[in-house]
Amino acid sequence: ELKVEQNPLFLSMQEGKNYTIYCNYSTTSDRLYWYRQDPGKSLESLFVLLSNGAVKQEGRLMASLDTKARLSTLHITAAVHDLSATYFCAVVKKIIQGAQKLVFGQGTRLTINP
Amino acid sequence: DGGITQSPKYLFRKEGQNVTLSCEQNLNHDAMYWYRQDPGQGLRLIYYSQIVNDFQKGDIAEGYSVSREKKESFPLTVTSAQKNPTAFYLCASSIGRGSRTEAFFGQGTRLTVV
Repeated sequence: ELKVEQNPLFLSMQEGKNYTIYCNYSTTSDRLYWYRQDPGKSLESLFVLLSNGAVKQEGRLMASLDTKARLSTLHITAAVHDLSATYFCAVVKKIIQGAQKLVFGQGTRLTINP
Repeated sequence: DGGITQSPKYLFRKEGQNVTLSCEQNLNHDAMYWYRQDPGQGLRLIYYSQIVNDFQKGDIAEGYSVSREKKESFPLTVTSAQKNPTAFYLCASSIGRGSRTEAFFGQGTRLTVV
């Protein structure tokens, strides 16, 4: 059974600092997503990582994927308050006849303090 | 604009009552999904559908039912058999085939038992 684990689950940091969120998954997958969720809101897609060694960057966020280690990281550079949210990673699992589903990590609640 | 529309945004259910959550998409996506999110947790798959008139149980289907009579619509009924229905429900859709599909989420319905 595919399991996805994030750490840390809670992260409080100061503005201007750097930090990394980790996402480990237990079985092979060909795609990994990072989502952002603001309180009471839906999920906003941040990154899709498709291959080993993939790195994508958008603003102060950078995501990478190591399929051999089954590990993805979301790195935050020089954090600003607007990045406060809950971040989820999700791994694609193929089911039957081409069907697939997303298996989510528990989420990392990020709070950035002035 | 293309997207996924869920309604209502907030829903209150009395004990023993069935309620139906609406999900409509105009993205011409084949696959649609229902997820449940409990406070401080990740998303868990309830049901999914790859094509019209076909759907499959996800990880937590007990107490729920769905239909897929039209490509654009995938309503979720929370039945009285669901003992703990208070949660945030998210509908998603994806192209449903190929290796580069991405799931898009609706804005969610928050269901509360009163």
